[in-house]
Amino acid sequence: LAKTTQPISMDSYEGQEVNITCSHNNIATNDYITWYQQFPSQGPRFIIQGYKTKVTNEVASLFIPADRKSSTLSLPRVSLSDTAVYYCLVGDMGQAGTALIFGKGTTLSVSS
Amino acid sequence: NAGVTQTPKFQVLKTGQSMTLQCAQDMNHEYMSWYRQDPGMGLRLIHYSVGAGITDQGEVPNGYNVSRSTTEDFPLRLLSAAPSQTSVYFCASSNQDRRGTEAFFGQGTRLTVV
Repeated sequence: LAKTTQPISMDSYEGQEVNITCSHNNIATNDYITWYQQFPSQGPRFIIQGYKTKVTNEVASLFIPADRKSSTLSLPRVSLSDTAVYYCLVGDMGQAGTALIFGKGTTLSVSS
Repeated sequence: NAGVTQTPKFQVLKTGQSMTLQCAQDMNHEYMSWYRQDPGMGLRLIHYSVGAGITDQGEVPNGYNVSRSTTEDFPLRLLSAAPSQTSVYFCASSNQDRRGTEAFFGQGTRLTVV
């Protein structure tokens, strides 16, 4: 699995757009990029997944440049409830036996 | 759908005791896994299974055993609990396909070993 690097922490205010960038220089051709969100005392929750260009859902957008060596999770107009840890995972999730390996994630703190 | 159900939610053990953390999913997922999360840390993979009868070790398997006799259940056994195993344990399940996969996590079991 490709190693990922993301900031340990970020601070924001309500209503701002937050962009969390993840670096994955060794991403392989079959690898997907997946982001999870974890609130205190809860299990991680899937946010978004992509392979290339841009993916958008009701929660976030994921931007992936052409070389795929990095990706950016964009949270529009964050609120206090978006305070959580965000994990970036990269891997060939369709390959039997591939395990989800989590790093330490990015702790996002949203203030009023 | 219940999704991924973990029991118990909380447990206190004495050093040397054994116990089994239960995990069940009702989504017919092939892939199941166990993680532990220590304060201020990310999740670390303990064991995982790609189907009934098939298990493999993750990043931190020592002190834990698993088995997968059915698709639905993936219990985690601590044979002789140690204080270093005090942690929050999460079980996850998913169906892997070539388009990528979304994993579903249980609510966790908070284990304290004294």
